[in-house]
Amino acid sequence: GAVVSQHPSRVICKSGTSVKIECRSLDFQATTMFWYRQFPKQSLMLMATSNEGSKATYEQGVEKDKFLINHASLTLSTLTVTSAHPEDSSFYICSASPPVNYGYTFGSGTRLTVV
Amino acid sequence: SQQGEEDPQALSIQEGENATMNCSYKTSINNLQWYRQNSGRGLVHLILIRSNEREKHSGRLRVTLDTSKKSSSLLITASRAADTASYFCATGAGQAGTALIFGKGTTLSVSS
Repeated sequence: GAVVSQHPSRVICKSGTSVKIECRSLDFQATTMFWYRQFPKQSLMLMATSNEGSKATYEQGVEKDKFLINHASLTLSTLTVTSAHPEDSSFYICSASPPVNYGYTFGSGTRLTVV
Repeated sequence: SQQGEEDPQALSIQEGENATMNCSYKTSINNLQWYRQNSGRGLVHLILIRSNEREKHSGRLRVTLDTSKKSSSLLITASRAADTASYFCATGAGQAGTALIFGKGTTLSVSS
């Protein structure tokens, strides 16, 4: 149980376009989901906390207008990278915390390459 | 935001040897978790230790936690080539709706 599905696993897009990444909790309801970004050979940096039915909370230095987060249902959060640039190329990972035991489960990640 | 440092940043050992990685954190925590990440892949949860625990074992893994020093260590015994990966500690506040905060990680290379 407690599976998080992230899609797509890999995407290549042109500069200036937008890319949407989906994060779904498959067998539990996730009031809160988290989005992380990981640059090569670095650790995971928390970008934002996605709250169902309300605005996301962004970490300092993360542009909310560039990284749009929508958490419209208890099983789906989406991260849209708008007007993507090569420096946005990174590994994006979502996470959710099932409400019962406060454990965390992670998606398999999305490798974004902006060319 | 990140909690703190992992030490060492990189570690190279031979198969059969033990690998010890350390993690320091800055804030009060409810639990500390260790994850493994193979190159370019997702995270694998290894072990969770709660703030009221001092040591925990799982197979070849041994984790210690010293809340007075705000530090933890992960010991992998009898390492194998398949243990080659990056290892991250992550701290949790234990409150619903709060994220895990990751350390910088240790890259472990085990050669056969």
